[in-house]
Amino acid sequence: AQSVSQHNHHVILSEAASLELGCNYSYGGTVNLFWYVQYPGQHLQLLLKYFSGDPLVKGIKGFEAEFIKSKFSFNLRKPSVQWSDTAEYFCAVNAAGANNLFFGTGTRLTVIP
Amino acid sequence: DTGVSQDPRHKITKRGQNVTFRCDPISEHNRLYWYRQTLGQGPEFLTYFQNEAQLEKSRLLSDRFSAERPKGSFSTLEIQRTEQGDSAMYLCASSLTPNYEQYFGPGTRLTVT
Repeated sequence: AQSVSQHNHHVILSEAASLELGCNYSYGGTVNLFWYVQYPGQHLQLLLKYFSGDPLVKGIKGFEAEFIKSKFSFNLRKPSVQWSDTAEYFCAVNAAGANNLFFGTGTRLTVIP
Repeated sequence: DTGVSQDPRHKITKRGQNVTFRCDPISEHNRLYWYRQTLGQGPEFLTYFQNEAQLEKSRLLSDRFSAERPKGSFSTLEIQRTEQGDSAMYLCASSLTPNYEQYFGPGTRLTVT
């Protein structure tokens, strides 16, 4: 069965600090990978996705993620966070051809001005 | 607004009552998904439809739960004889085959007292 691990439950950063949120998944086959963000009081929004090709994918608002197949990882990065990045971040995976997403438990990011 | 909409946004019910939630997907999307999210967890897949056909159900979807998508447009999720453990956020998402990006609605927060 597929599963997703996000080891950082709560991350607190000052503005302009660099961000890296970990995401590891367990599944041996081809996967599609996603990062979703949920800002306070808002619904889940897609931040970025990886289906195939260049393992370094860029998303909205300056976020990027790198797929490292050998490590089963899809870590999210941003070189300089802003207060407005305060939100909960969810990593999700589905097996290629499958229909449902498996989500991690989420990482709450708090950015201090 | 052309995103996924859900109604109601909040529902408080007494244990044992039946509740029904509605989801209106993005109009051209033929796939519709239901997820459940409890506090501190990521969304968990419940079921999905392709057009009007319900093609997959999670083991989380007990016999008290039923979902329909009668005309391949909006969907309803009914919970019969609600239990306190049903308290959660119920999320709806839609996507356009064969694109695997799922777009989420704001959710319906159910509280069972």
